[in-house]
Amino acid sequence: DADVTQTPRNRITKTGKRIMLECSQTKGHDRMYWYRQDPGLGLRLIYYSFDVKDINKGEISDGYSVSRQAQAKFSLSLESAIPNQTALYFCATSDLTGTGKTGELFFGEGSRLTVL
Amino acid sequence: QKEVEQDPGPLSVPEGAIVSLNCTYSNSAFQYFMWYRQYSRKGPELLMYTYSSGNKEDGRFTAQVDKSSKYISLFIRDSQPSDSATYLCAMSSVFSGGYNKLIFGAGTRLAVHP
Repeated sequence: DADVTQTPRNRITKTGKRIMLECSQTKGHDRMYWYRQDPGLGLRLIYYSFDVKDINKGEISDGYSVSRQAQAKFSLSLESAIPNQTALYFCATSDLTGTGKTGELFFGEGSRLTVL
Repeated sequence: QKEVEQDPGPLSVPEGAIVSLNCTYSNSAFQYFMWYRQYSRKGPELLMYTYSSGNKEDGRFTAQVDKSSKYISLFIRDSQPSDSATYLCAMSSVFSGGYNKLIFGAGTRLAVHP
């Protein structure tokens, strides 16, 4: 089983609908992140969380919200989806206490969202 | 101007070729430099990690950082079809305490054909 699991893997929805993307991890990491990936733009950070009580906005948080339900679970919501939120979304985790590859991000396999 | 610039490719090479992938950046505070590899329909995985300037070698892969030119490179020797993927550079100025804000390049798509 994957260490970082995202559901759903693919979703097609309509403008105005509420969408939730879920992420769970078994790596035991405290830090979790949501990124979106668009062609030509790379990965951009939406939200990040250092622990259950800590939520922070990233560079493109408008139109998104998150919930850290437990150390292992971090959900991303689009309250009212719009077409320019069509993208590939990645959840990631990291553990700054690790040695060597400090700060390495471990990514899920992605959730492809299409908003019509 | 983006903080990190990376040619998206695609780059197509024959098996066995030496591949050079590059990124330029504008923020002189960057000290940590990474290369992530992303296979189709998968999430990125860390491939190489370098602190400050210099070279780092791992098997067929060599990461090179030239801070004076704000330029980083990833070389792949004896490229294999299994190296076909998108390669993303990423960099950061801080890793201790606080948020380690990683800035990613757009990624270069590489295809190695037999």
